[in-house]
Amino acid sequence: EVQLVESGGGLVQPGRSLRLSCTASGFTFGDYAMSWFRQAPGKGLEWVGFIRSKAYGGTTEYAASVKGRFTISRDDSKSIAYLQMNSLKTEDTAVYYCTRDRVVLVVYAMYYYMDVWGKGTTVTVSS
Amino acid sequence: EIVMTQSPATLSVSPGERATLSCRASQSVSSNLAWYQQKPGQAPRLLIYGASTRATGIPARFSGSGSGTEFTLTISSLQSEDFAVYYCQQYNNWPKTFGQGTKVEIK
Repeated sequence: EVQLVESGGGLVQPGRSLRLSCTASGFTFGDYAMSWFRQAPGKGLEWVGFIRSKAYGGTTEYAASVKGRFTISRDDSKSIAYLQMNSLKTEDTAVYYCTRDRVVLVVYAMYYYMDVWGKGTTVTVSS
Repeated sequence: EIVMTQSPATLSVSPGERATLSCRASQSVSSNLAWYQQKPGQAPRLLIYGASTRATGIPARFSGSGSGTEFTLTISSLQSEDFAVYYCQQYNNWPKTFGQGTKVEIK
């Protein structure tokens, strides 16, 4: 069974750091790009960031709201994606989800949609 | 940033009836549009990608259409388990963006 399990959430003070993990099972993790999303209480979904598979350079993309503060990385040997969150703000409070991304190749362009979601982990930033 | 706008915000439908949800993009996203279903306390679930392709295991009562800037998700005959919030999402451009969601509730 394909599965993603997020961990590492919790209560943290503003300005501090937290690292989330996304542990994958049931598929060849290294073959896939991965993303992180979040959902603030009672709000909609927000994309946080993305990391390509090593075959496509392992490069990353970030939302403007987290760029420079958050870093996504991956350890293919452990089938884990990470979200390192620094300089946390109260507005970062949310449920954080990781996703497996499927690539669509169109001519020379690549597009990614999310086909598997984890159940999420809650991050609360408060003093 | 591409802005996705969904309508209506809330749709009241009786079980067995048809539901039609709309999604508009502020600029063309080609067919790089997905629909997700989210129930309270759960993660989103992929329903449709490529604007019209059902994801694995999704019942045939769910169908998607459209391209460019106008998209539709149709649920042909609502079942009790279909009452949820539905989000459209474009993946044509960075950043990936979602609509604000349409809540499908029991009439």
